[in-house]
Amino acid sequence: AQRVTQPEKLLSVFKGAPVELKCNYSYSGSPELFWYVQYSRQRLQLLLRHISRESIKGFTADLNKGETSFHLKKPFAQEEDSAMYYCALLSGSSNTGKLIFGQGTTLQVKP
Amino acid sequence: GAGVSQSPSNKVTEKGKDVELRCDPISGHTALYWYRQRLGQGLEFLIYFQGNSAPDKSGLPSDRFSAERTGESVSTLTIQRTQQEDSAVYLCASSHLGPQFFGPGTRLTVL
Repeated sequence: AQRVTQPEKLLSVFKGAPVELKCNYSYSGSPELFWYVQYSRQRLQLLLRHISRESIKGFTADLNKGETSFHLKKPFAQEEDSAMYYCALLSGSSNTGKLIFGQGTTLQVKP
Repeated sequence: GAGVSQSPSNKVTEKGKDVELRCDPISGHTALYWYRQRLGQGLEFLIYFQGNSAPDKSGLPSDRFSAERTGESVSTLTIQRTQQEDSAVYLCASSHLGPQFFGPGTRLTVL
């Protein structure tokens, strides 16, 4: 079965501390994975996708096929990073198809 | 350019009434998706359009739910005989050979 698991509902850290939001997936095939973020009173927006291998707002995520993980990391959290983060798996090919979402993790960065 | 728009932003209805939710995708986006998010839960896929055909309707929870799309533009999600468990935020997304971009959602409350 295709599944995305985000084990933490809430992650609370102090400003300047490192952050790791966990994501594990189950997929038979070559996965395409995304991180989406939803700031307070804003729409869901794409943060990054694994095929781009880019860093957005200081966040990175590496696909580990052996551990079936796609954890989101940032070395020094900022207060403006406080938001809800969703890991998502594309079920389909050629850039189309539904996204399967994890339950989401609320990141709270305290001053 | 303009993003995905949805209307209404909020809808309160009585149990048993029908509701229509509208989505305007980004111009040129051939794929359109509907998801819903119930309180405290992750996003769940409902239906996907490629052009005006729906190759994947697997997420529609019952025959009370239906959707249509006019060409490669507007889509309408209709819920007939609403039930309290239909209360959720209904999200629309669109894409064209790339990641999905989300609208602000319609918050549906069934009394």
